[in-house]
Amino acid sequence: DGGITQSPKYLFRKEGQNVTLSCEQNLNHDAMYWYRQDPGQGLRLIYYSQIVNDFQKGDIAEGYSVSREKKESFPLTVTSAQKNPTAFYLCASSRGQGPGTGELFFGEGSRLTVL
Amino acid sequence: GENVEQHPSTLSVQEGDSAVIKCTYSDSASNYFPWYKQELGKRPQLIIDIRSNVGEKKDQRIAVTLNKTAKHFSLHITETQPEDSAVYFCAAGGADGLTFGKGTHLIIQP
Repeated sequence: DGGITQSPKYLFRKEGQNVTLSCEQNLNHDAMYWYRQDPGQGLRLIYYSQIVNDFQKGDIAEGYSVSREKKESFPLTVTSAQKNPTAFYLCASSRGQGPGTGELFFGEGSRLTVL
Repeated sequence: GENVEQHPSTLSVQEGDSAVIKCTYSDSASNYFPWYKQELGKRPQLIIDIRSNVGEKKDQRIAVTLNKTAKHFSLHITETQPEDSAVYFCAAGGADGLTFGKGTHLIIQP
């Protein structure tokens, strides 16, 4: 079954802790993305990667970090520097090499709650 | 950067009626305009998209129109059905980026 898998689905974190959200795809897509979704705010781009070992900041990258060591994987770390980390996080991939080049395929999301 | 405004934030229509959601954008360089549907608790999925060299595109009950001069584009859903209930997001951009609107919650009344 091809697609994007995010884990965990729900995550609770204490203030001051870093957490890493996993994103794996088996669609053979070059580009991968992380979006943050807040109620009434739409989708905002955190980071994206067009190719292995390369990534670019999106609109709200502060307090987040990513890596792209494998084509299939694009983990997101929410660091303690992120001031308001409670949100729904969506990973996506695309055939094209840029956010606006074609269809985005989304994972089911990870909901992070900071206690 | 690009700024996308989406209206209305909530839209309630009777089953069988039409629904229209409108978006405006600010960057005249934007050339790609997708629409995503997100059902409750599910992932966003592309339902239709249009590029700047086309003024209108239709897929069964769904259509999108684009007015590049006025910098606005709209989603039209005809003969609405209960399964159309969802949040719809418009977006505008190109190779350098994609900016989403804040979403429209479409409610289909029986």
